[in-house]
Amino acid sequence: DVKVTQSSRYLVKRTGEKVFLECVQDMDHENMFWYRQDPGLGLRLIYFSYDVKMKEKGDIPEGYSVSREKKERFSLILESASTNQTSMYLCASSFGPSRGYFGPGTRLTVT
Amino acid sequence: KQEVTQIPAALSVPEGENLVLNCSFTDSAIYNLQWFRQDPGKGLTSLLLIQSSQREQTSGRLNASLDKSSGRSTLYIAASQPGDSATYLCAVSQTGNQFYFGTGTSLTVIP
Repeated sequence: DVKVTQSSRYLVKRTGEKVFLECVQDMDHENMFWYRQDPGLGLRLIYFSYDVKMKEKGDIPEGYSVSREKKERFSLILESASTNQTSMYLCASSFGPSRGYFGPGTRLTVT
Repeated sequence: KQEVTQIPAALSVPEGENLVLNCSFTDSAIYNLQWFRQDPGKGLTSLLLIQSSQREQTSGRLNASLDKSSGRSTLYIAASQPGDSATYLCAVSQTGNQFYFGTGTSLTVIP
């Protein structure tokens, strides 16, 4: 079974802090994704990566950056956390255009 | 840009009923469509994946259909159980590089 893990289930940070969210998948998938999920807005794509060191912006990349130095690991970075980045963050991976596998999510609160 | 809509937003049914969840999308040039389940505060679990060349997929009590030309998919759940209570999301993939999600249908099955 594919496993996608995220470094934290719950995270509380202060405004202005630099925040790292880590995601690891164990099935050698090429594609990895970061989404945020907010009530009434659904899931929105922040960034995705289709190979090591390759990345593309999604629909809402502002205020975020990503890093993919190894195939199995995809990191989401909030350069200077703000309260409007309080959300549920979901990482996913897939092999090409196939079934997507999601991690358990990180609920981030920025105070 | 692809828009995905799910109706109804919430549904409450007595145990044992058969039910249908609806998903519509605006651009019929899709690669595949997935149905996911999300339990409160958790990540997403892929239930069914339908490739664009397929008309339906079945898994146990679940059956998903796809009518690409009309931009519609339905998820049929037979003999509903309280354990089916969750939010159901559909997502379409056009290039394989991202999934476009609906905002989900929150299902409650009353014992």
